[in-house]
Amino acid sequence: RKEVEQDPGPFNVPEGATVAFNCTYSNSASQSFFWYRQDCRKEPKLLMSVYSSGNEDGRFTAQLNRASQYISLLIRDSKLSDSATYLCVVNSNYGQNFVFGPGTRLSVLP
Amino acid sequence: DVKVTQSSRYLVKRTGEKVFLECVQDMDHENMFWYRQDPGLGLRLIYFSYDVKMKEKGDIPEGYSVSREKKERFSLILESASTNQTSMYLCASSLYPGRVEETQYFGPGTRLLVL
Repeated sequence: RKEVEQDPGPFNVPEGATVAFNCTYSNSASQSFFWYRQDCRKEPKLLMSVYSSGNEDGRFTAQLNRASQYISLLIRDSKLSDSATYLCVVNSNYGQNFVFGPGTRLSVLP
Repeated sequence: DVKVTQSSRYLVKRTGEKVFLECVQDMDHENMFWYRQDPGLGLRLIYFSYDVKMKEKGDIPEGYSVSREKKERFSLILESASTNQTSMYLCASSLYPGRVEETQYFGPGTRLLVL
């Protein structure tokens, strides 16, 4: 079993749609969780950290369920510019051990 | 703003050549990482370093070595490049020990083609 797994995708959604991505992790000692966004042929960039209580940043909402070892990302009112690959990242050693999921590709269609 | 720079965006080398990829960060981060990214395989960790002159093997260190002589600089070396090392190489840095939400910052990547 891979340490971090994500929905395989791709997700093709119309503009304005709501889309949710799921991620599971196997290491119960994991301490911190992130969603990154990666545009085609570019480097990954931090989208948001994921906190235990859940957190929201504009149209983006992240949730963490430690008991189920599950992370989610919800994007509301999708824009064309949201088209990218979304990477789930889990850290288990305060900055030393980042494990990346394989990513889920999103295409928002006009 | 954290800045991670890589020496080249695109590189073309021949099989058997020695290749140096340089990475510099300006945030005084302790940790630095080298990944490669290939379609369908995601990011795979090659090596990381948690201090000057220290290095740890990642998941796929074979065929690579690294050097960290200064805190801000982390070099990846392909001793004898092979065609299966054609890939996108990404450098990253992070603060350690950091707050639990501390994350990694990536350079723009180097696309290496080995002919």
